[in-house]
Amino acid sequence: AQSVAQPEDQVNVAEGNPLTVKCTYSVSGNPYLFWYVQYPNRGLQFLLKYITGDNLVKGSYGFEAEFNKSQTSFHLKKPSALVSDSALYFCAVRASGGSYIPTFGRGTSLIVHP
Amino acid sequence: NAGVTQTPKFQVLKTGQSMTLQCAQDMNHEYMSWYRQDPGMGLRLIHYSVGAGITDQGEVPNGYNVSRSTTEDFPLRLLSAAPSQTSVYFCASSYSTGGVYGYTFGSGTRLTVV
Repeated sequence: AQSVAQPEDQVNVAEGNPLTVKCTYSVSGNPYLFWYVQYPNRGLQFLLKYITGDNLVKGSYGFEAEFNKSQTSFHLKKPSALVSDSALYFCAVRASGGSYIPTFGRGTSLIVHP
Repeated sequence: NAGVTQTPKFQVLKTGQSMTLQCAQDMNHEYMSWYRQDPGMGLRLIHYSVGAGITDQGEVPNGYNVSRSTTEDFPLRLLSAAPSQTSVYFCASSYSTGGVYGYTFGSGTRLTVV
């Protein structure tokens, strides 16, 4: 079985400050990990993924995520938040190999204040 | 523009009515899927297809039917709508089932059952 937890329903940050959106996972074997973003009244957009290799993954719009195997985490980060980053963020996980379908988290609402 | 197109964007149904949510993609993706998004529940997989003529159930398939007669189209049918099916529905597609290259999502259909 695979599962993903996003422990914060909402994250508030001031514009210009660094942001972190947390994600922890549970999966048998090695994980494939993903982050998606959903802007209001839109579908989800793919941000970045970890498949293998460097633990720090860079994605779209200046976002990055750090894979930590010992803590089973894949937190999303950005050095300087923008008001336009305000959106709903989803973490997803699947087991590596085969054709497993990712399991999505419940989502975290990021609000960046001017 | 290449992508996933969902119609309609909004729909109100009466309990017991049936309807079909349309989904079409023009990226020649083999994998297509339907999700529902509910507050606090995240994304839940309803049905998916790994190619024309092949469909399978996801996490919450009851009350929904699908078929995949072409690579491009993957309609979702509600046989007898119930208030519990009030939700936002998203169609997603990908080159691979596991979404290693990321899923492309449509903009969603907001369904209200009264």
